[in-house]
Amino acid sequence: EVHLVESGGGLVQPGGSLRLSCEASGFTFSTTWMTWVRQAPGKGLEWVATIKQDGSVTSYVDSLRGRFIISRDNSKSSLYLQMSSLRAEDTAVYYCVKDGWWFPYWGQGTLVTVSS
Amino acid sequence: DIVMTQSPDSLAVSLGERATVNCKSSQDVLYTSNNKNHLAWYQQKPGQPPKLLIYWASTRQSGVPDRFSGSGSGTDYTLTISSLQAEDVAVYYCHQYHTLPFTFGPGTKVEIK
Repeated sequence: EVHLVESGGGLVQPGGSLRLSCEASGFTFSTTWMTWVRQAPGKGLEWVATIKQDGSVTSYVDSLRGRFIISRDNSKSSLYLQMSSLRAEDTAVYYCVKDGWWFPYWGQGTLVTVSS
Repeated sequence: DIVMTQSPDSLAVSLGERATVNCKSSQDVLYTSNNKNHLAWYQQKPGQPPKLLIYWASTRQSGVPDRFSGSGSGTDYTLTISSLQAEDVAVYYCHQYHTLPFTFGPGTKVEIK
């Protein structure tokens, strides 16, 4: 059974940084594209970034490029999202998602709150 | 970027009746190399992550009840719930995976009348 568990969320001040992690199990992590999707409170879904199996290709939504970095460690079956220069509008639940096209498996999400 | 719009914003349907959600993309999401429409539908209930219902515009994800169906091509798509059940109360999102950045529709809230 596919299992995705996010961690690392919390309260951070504007301008701060945070690193989200996602521990994957139940499938061969190293052969799968992985994605982060976020959802602001009471709002819709926003695709954030996607990374290829070996980490050689990454894609980001333009508004986040340069502030967020997606990475992975296949030896640990883990996905990461390094977030910097955080703003109030980055407040959201961040979901770790298996695959890079349509999204059949989602974690429960981790809440990031950017506030002073 | 491909902009996804949905209509209506919300709808209330009686139990057992049909519910129809529409989705429109600002560009054609048909991928000519595989002749497939790169469009998916998700259901999200409060406090839960989204659940994939449909991909390739009309292929039902394993385990999804057959009262859910998807149709459409080009820029216009439809999600139909043939006989609404109480457990179908949720927000429904369409999603294009044809062109980066991938984008979602704003969601349609389906309730019981």
